[in-house]
Amino acid sequence: DVKVTQSSRYLVKRTGEKVFLECVQDMDHENMFWYRQDPGLGLRLIYFSYDVKMKEKGDIPEGYSVSREKKERFSLILESASTNQTSMYLCASSSPSPPDTQYFGPGTRLTVL
Amino acid sequence: AQKITQTQPGMFVQEKEAVTLDCTYDTSDPSYGLFWYKQPSSGEMIFLIYQGSYDQQNATEGRYSLNFQKARKSANLVISASQLGDSAMYFCAMRENNQGGKLIFGQGTELSVKP
Repeated sequence: DVKVTQSSRYLVKRTGEKVFLECVQDMDHENMFWYRQDPGLGLRLIYFSYDVKMKEKGDIPEGYSVSREKKERFSLILESASTNQTSMYLCASSSPSPPDTQYFGPGTRLTVL
Repeated sequence: AQKITQTQPGMFVQEKEAVTLDCTYDTSDPSYGLFWYKQPSSGEMIFLIYQGSYDQQNATEGRYSLNFQKARKSANLVISASQLGDSAMYFCAMRENNQGGKLIFGQGTELSVKP
């Protein structure tokens, strides 16, 4: 079974703090993704990566950066957290081979005060 | 323009009955994939079923089946014999092959199963 884990289920941070969200997958998947989910807005893609040290901007990259130093790990970084980044963050991974189903982690509910 | 549309924000179904969740999509890419995910209140997105645009038969996975009508650009999820544990948000998503592995999600349908 595919296993995607995220470092925290719940996280509370203060405005201006630097925040790291970690995601690890154990299926040797090349592709990894970070989404945020907000009521009424659905899931929106922040960043994705097709390989180690590669990254691509998604639909809403502003205020975020990512790091992929190892194949199994994809980190989302909030350089200076703001209250409008309070959200549910979901990480996913997939193989590039069809049907390249994305498998998700349990999510991190981040609150920025 | 919305690429994935789920017109039912909320649905109720009686336990043991079947329910259909609607999904329509819009793409000009001839090669694409359609996915359904379940999200319980715990928050995790659980993959349910996949349909490729060139698949001749409708996908089935246990109690889940996908009613794929390519000409109408619809990919409805059918859950047979509903169970209380089926209560959750359900999301339809599309991957266009000319966009790499990115998924586009619909807004979701909240399904409530009544005992």
